[in-house]
Amino acid sequence: EVQLLQSGGGLVQPGGSLRLSCLTSGFTFTVYGMGWVRQAPGKGLECVSVISSNVDIASYADSVKGRFTISRDKSKNTVFLQMDSLRPEDTAIYYCAKLKNVKSFDYWGQGTLVTVSS
Amino acid sequence: SYVLTQPPSVAVAPGQTARITCVGNNIGDKDVHWYQQKPGQAPVLVVYEDSARPSGIPERFSGSNSENTATLTIARVEAGDEADYYCQVRENTGDHSWVFGGGTKLTAL
Repeated sequence: EVQLLQSGGGLVQPGGSLRLSCLTSGFTFTVYGMGWVRQAPGKGLECVSVISSNVDIASYADSVKGRFTISRDKSKNTVFLQMDSLRPEDTAIYYCAKLKNVKSFDYWGQGTLVTVSS
Repeated sequence: SYVLTQPPSVAVAPGQTARITCVGNNIGDKDVHWYQQKPGQAPVLVVYEDSARPSGIPERFSGSNSENTATLTIARVEAGDEADYYCQVRENTGDHSWVFGGGTKLTAL
């Protein structure tokens, strides 16, 4: 059974940093890309970052480029999202998700709330 | 950047058929994926690559895609189908190309 268990998140002041983690199991971690998708309160879904399966190529939405960093630890089957220089508009539920054939997301974590506020 | 447009809401009576559209420029040339999200829960993939269903998704859920419109069809709507539905594509340009529609709230009257 595929499982994605998220941790991290919480309340942080503007300009601060947070690190989200997503521990995976039930599939061969090195074969699949992983992504982070966020959802601001009452809003829709936005893919903020994706990391490829093999050579760890990362991509970012323009809204977070230069501030967020995605990475993966293949020895721990875990993907991370380092979030720096946080802004109030980054307030959202953040989901990690497994890529299916690069194009769609077939399994999702439970979500973790990030609140950026003074 | 590529834009996907969905109606904010669709309402149907239980037992009837719901159709949720997703409009994008030449979307028929892309693979479209659909997600169901119930309140307080993570999204669930219900249709991928236009019309394929993941394991465990009822046959009542189907998809189609042509020219500028993709459609998610839910036959014999049940109260448990009430949710937000999002379409998504991976566009072919740019290095970060996973795009979601704005979402449609399905209500079973």
